[in-house]
Amino acid sequence: DARVTQTPRHKVTEMGQEVTMRCQPILGHNTVFWYRQTMMQGLELLAYFRNRAPLDDSGMPKDRFSAEMPDATLATLKIQPSEPRDSAVYFCASGLLTPGLHRTYEQYFGPGTRLTVT
Amino acid sequence: AQSVAQPEDQVNVAEGNPLTVKCTYSVSGNPYLFWYVQYPNRGLQFLLKYITGDNLVKGSYGFEAEFNKSQTSFHLKKPSALVSDSALYFCAVREPGYSTLTFGKGTMLLVSP
Repeated sequence: DARVTQTPRHKVTEMGQEVTMRCQPILGHNTVFWYRQTMMQGLELLAYFRNRAPLDDSGMPKDRFSAEMPDATLATLKIQPSEPRDSAVYFCASGLLTPGLHRTYEQYFGPGTRLTVT
Repeated sequence: AQSVAQPEDQVNVAEGNPLTVKCTYSVSGNPYLFWYVQYPNRGLQFLLKYITGDNLVKGSYGFEAEFNKSQTSFHLKKPSALVSDSALYFCAVREPGYSTLTFGKGTMLLVSP
């Protein structure tokens, strides 16, 4: 049963510390997304990659957030320095963009990383 | 720009009764529409999608959704609710030419025994 995995599941850190979240997409999927979920803002798209290339990271605060895909099996989201307002659940999702007239895909979500910055 | 609205923050229904969770969208052109469900402390799970064809789409766990182009709606329905259906439901839209989904704020469905 293929699924997206994320580590860590929970992270508590102090303001100013670096946070790294990792995601292993489903093998064979060519698109990876990072989302942030909060009560106030709901689900926000931070960045996404296709074939490991970043296509859009306009949803991320550029001064402190960075997203990379060092290889096809690993995506990372880093926050440096972290701030209390970064407290949220961060989801990774992967999908396979299918060919054809109606190119589309379902996104498969990981279980999320719950980040608390104190 | 694509957008989606879920007008109800919460829907309450008794077990065994039919349920409807509402979604309306705004796109330029023909939409691709999706429903996802999120259980507590879990990621979102895909339920169903409309791409083209029959306006009534059937999905997982007995859910279905009806695409209504004139009303720009894609309401989620189930004939008989279960307590285990209680969860947070998200509608999402993508229009051709966009690579990403836009999600609604979510609707909490509470099914009482």
